[in-house]
Amino acid sequence: EPEVTQTPSHQVTQMGQEVILRCVPISNHLYFYWYRQILGQKVEFLVSFYNNEISEKSEIFDDQFSVERPDGSNFTLKIRSTKLEDSAMYFCASEGVYTEAFFGQGTRLTVV
Amino acid sequence: AQRVTQPEKLLSVFKGAPVELKCNYSYSGSPELFWYVQYSRQRLQLLLRHISRESIKGFTADLNKGETSFHLKKPFAQEEDSAMYYCALEEGGSEKLVFGKGTKLTVNP
Repeated sequence: EPEVTQTPSHQVTQMGQEVILRCVPISNHLYFYWYRQILGQKVEFLVSFYNNEISEKSEIFDDQFSVERPDGSNFTLKIRSTKLEDSAMYFCASEGVYTEAFFGQGTRLTVV
Repeated sequence: AQRVTQPEKLLSVFKGAPVELKCNYSYSGSPELFWYVQYSRQRLQLLLRHISRESIKGFTADLNKGETSFHLKKPFAQEEDSAMYYCALEEGGSEKLVFGKGTKLTVNP
């Protein structure tokens, strides 16, 4: 069964550093998402991406965040200058035209 | 304002007992509602969605628009049902999911 794959599974970074979280969505899916879950809190929507552009973003997704799909397969989330409060589990998801959203296993980001 | 409310953070039942995980939502339009499950060390996966009206792994959920609820039920819980359960809402015109805080279900032998 096809899966959404995220790398790395765990990333530790120093405050102020840039991080890139990677995701390989399910092929032939058209909609791509990033969510995050701070420890003990709910899963929160960050951004959705369709047709090579952001279709919707939350207020969390400020100028420090960006997404791209550079080669038509990988879908990346970049945090330009990480803050302590960016520490969270980041989930990528992809969705086809007639399917539900399929989630990756997550990347745990720890900012120290 | 919280749009998806799961009032129970933890729920513990014995094997064979009925279980109900509560979910209430706040949305004026016609929402699409889902239950996602996350087993230990596994990814979030869809359990069921209200429009399909299926029973998956013995679980059912009925959308009650009058009570704005989408409670998840199973008549006889099994130990392998132990997991985190998240209720989620998709608003009309949006593709994003709005999640509740989740309920951790523990089914004891």
